Amino acid sequence: AQKVTQAQTEISVVEKEDVTLDCVYETRDTTYYLFWYKQPPSGELVFLIRRNSFDEQNEISGRYSWNFQKSTSSFNFTITASQVVDSAVYFCALSAPSGYSTLTFGKGTMLLVSP
Amino acid sequence: SAVISQKPSRDICQRGTSLTIQCQVDSQVTMMFWYRQQPGQSLTLIATANQGSEATYESGFVIDKFPISRPNLTFSTLTVSNMSPEDSSIYLCSAYKPGTVYGYTFGSGTRLTVV
Repeated sequence: AQKVTQAQTEISVVEKEDVTLDCVYETRDTTYYLFWYKQPPSGELVFLIRRNSFDEQNEISGRYSWNFQKSTSSFNFTITASQVVDSAVYFCALSAPSGYSTLTFGKGTMLLVSP
Repeated sequence: SAVISQKPSRDICQRGTSLTIQCQVDSQVTMMFWYRQQPGQSLTLIATANQGSEATYESGFVIDKFPISRPNLTFSTLTVSNMSPEDSSIYLCSAYKPGTVYGYTFGSGTRLTVV
């Protein structure tokens, strides 16, 4: 069975602080995908990244960066110089590589960035 | 990313009534997925809908309560039947798009309140 754990329920930071959201996963699959989504108060899910289990390179996209550590089954997400617009719930998710598989979501981390 | 048009975006319904949520994808997809997100919670898979066959329901969800139709490769509906206040949630549909960076695309969600 697949499982995604986001131990941080809520994080509060002040604007311009860096913040890391943790994600730990469990799977028996040798190949899998990991995802991060942002859910603003409006409710829609915004895709941030998808990472194949074979690709352990860290990724940077603007103020966002992701650290994939297969040895510790972690896929952590860092926001550098946070902004108020980053306030949202962030979900980490896991799927098998087939499009016939479903996404397993973590419980989410609510990030509150205050001015 | 591929577009899923989901309707309605929100509704307030009386207990005991039913609501049908529609999702239209802008291209053909094999699998569609329906999720429920209860207030302050993560996304929980209700069922997987494959065109031409009955939907596959997850534990805790039954067809009588959440009937799903999938008449073609671009459309699906979820009905929430005999509603109670406990059904107040965000309902999201999703589809897998092979060959894309994001993999899974999501509708914008239906925010349902049962009074």
